[in-house]
Amino acid sequence: DVKVTQSSRYLVKRTGEKVFLECVQDMDHENMFWYRQDPGLGLRLIYFSYDVKMKEKGDIPEGYSVSREKKERFSLILESASTNQTSMYLCASSPFWGRDGYTFGSGTRLTVV
Amino acid sequence: SQQGEEDPQALSIQEGENATMNCSYKTSINNLQWYRQNSGRGLVHLILIRSNEREKHSGRLRVTLDTSKKSSSLLITASRAADTASYFCATDARSGGGADGLTFGKGTHLIIQP
Repeated sequence: DVKVTQSSRYLVKRTGEKVFLECVQDMDHENMFWYRQDPGLGLRLIYFSYDVKMKEKGDIPEGYSVSREKKERFSLILESASTNQTSMYLCASSPFWGRDGYTFGSGTRLTVV
Repeated sequence: SQQGEEDPQALSIQEGENATMNCSYKTSINNLQWYRQNSGRGLVHLILIRSNEREKHSGRLRVTLDTSKKSSSLLITASRAADTASYFCATDARSGGGADGLTFGKGTHLIIQP
């Protein structure tokens, strides 16, 4: 069964901490994505990548960075966590010519206190 | 930026009834997709319809697409309690490979009453 695995289901971090959210897929997909989901705002794209070491900004990249050193792993980094980054974070992947939709991870609910 | 907008925001029906959700979008698309999300979990891909298709079926799901009206509908027939979830439409504006990221609507929360 194909899978996208996010390293943590729940995280609590302090303001100002550097936070790493990890995502691993086992489907040999080229494309990987990070979204955040907030009540009333839906899913918003933070960053995406279509190849190793490649990254592109999504709609709300401010305050975030990403790393893709290996094809299967896409990390989201909060350089200095703030309370307005409290959210559900969703990772997804798809093939380069993906026409069958995205495969999502189970999500990481991050609380910044 | 938000492109898809689902309607209604919430829907409550009796088990066995049909549920219809609508999605409107603003720009040209390559395909439109529907996803389901159970509470607090990730999204699950349900069905994809391409811009040159008008209707698609998958089990109890029926999706229509009207590109002239920039709208789509998702019909779930003979609903079950397990269908209780949030449903999202997402648009893909890519014409080639690679990634731009799907644009999601805010979702319809469906409740199936036993």
